[in-house]
Amino acid sequence: EDQVTQSPEALRLQEGESSSLNCSYTVSGLRGLFWYRQDPGKGPEFLFTLYSAGEEKEKERLKATLTKKESFLHITAPKPEDSATYLCAVRLVGDKIIFGKGTRLHILP
Amino acid sequence: EAQVTQNPRYLITVTGKKLTVTCSQNMNHEYMSWYRQDPGLGLRQIYYSMNVEVTDKGDVPEGYKVSRKEKRNFPLILESPSPNQTSLYFCASSPGTGLGNTIYFGEGSWLTVV
Repeated sequence: EDQVTQSPEALRLQEGESSSLNCSYTVSGLRGLFWYRQDPGKGPEFLFTLYSAGEEKEKERLKATLTKKESFLHITAPKPEDSATYLCAVRLVGDKIIFGKGTRLHILP
Repeated sequence: EAQVTQNPRYLITVTGKKLTVTCSQNMNHEYMSWYRQDPGLGLRQIYYSMNVEVTDKGDVPEGYKVSRKEKRNFPLILESPSPNQTSLYFCASSPGTGLGNTIYFGEGSWLTVV
């Protein structure tokens, strides 16, 4: 069965304390992996798409990487405004999309 | 402004009373889909459509119907809503199904079935 698992479920960091969020997947026919940010009561906001193992993308304090079985979202020197839920999703052959349950990130000032 | 628009944003309804949640996008996107988001379960895909008159079931299609008569619109229909369909619903669209096609989400529709 196709599956996407994110860890940890929740993470509290001090401002400036770097860390990584994990997204592991067991799927057949991966067409792409997405990272989204979601603020409470809002729709997910696109961050990155990764297609192949070894690929990396960066945006401000965020960097996403991809291997054959997992992806990491690295957050460098986070600020309180980075607090949100971060969602990972995979697009499969046939165009079905599966989301992980997300990691709730809280950055303390 | 490029956007995905859902209506209504908030709705309380009673069990069994048919309702439709509309979704419209102004980006000429081919791919549209509906998700529900529940605490502890994350976002789950209900239905998706790769083009006009083409729809497919996602992970949780039971109790829902969709139609894609026009490219810009993708309504979600609950023929006989039940309390277990109380959820936050998101509509989404993307240019197509090829690599590099970002998925854009609407702001969400909070639905309560009593």
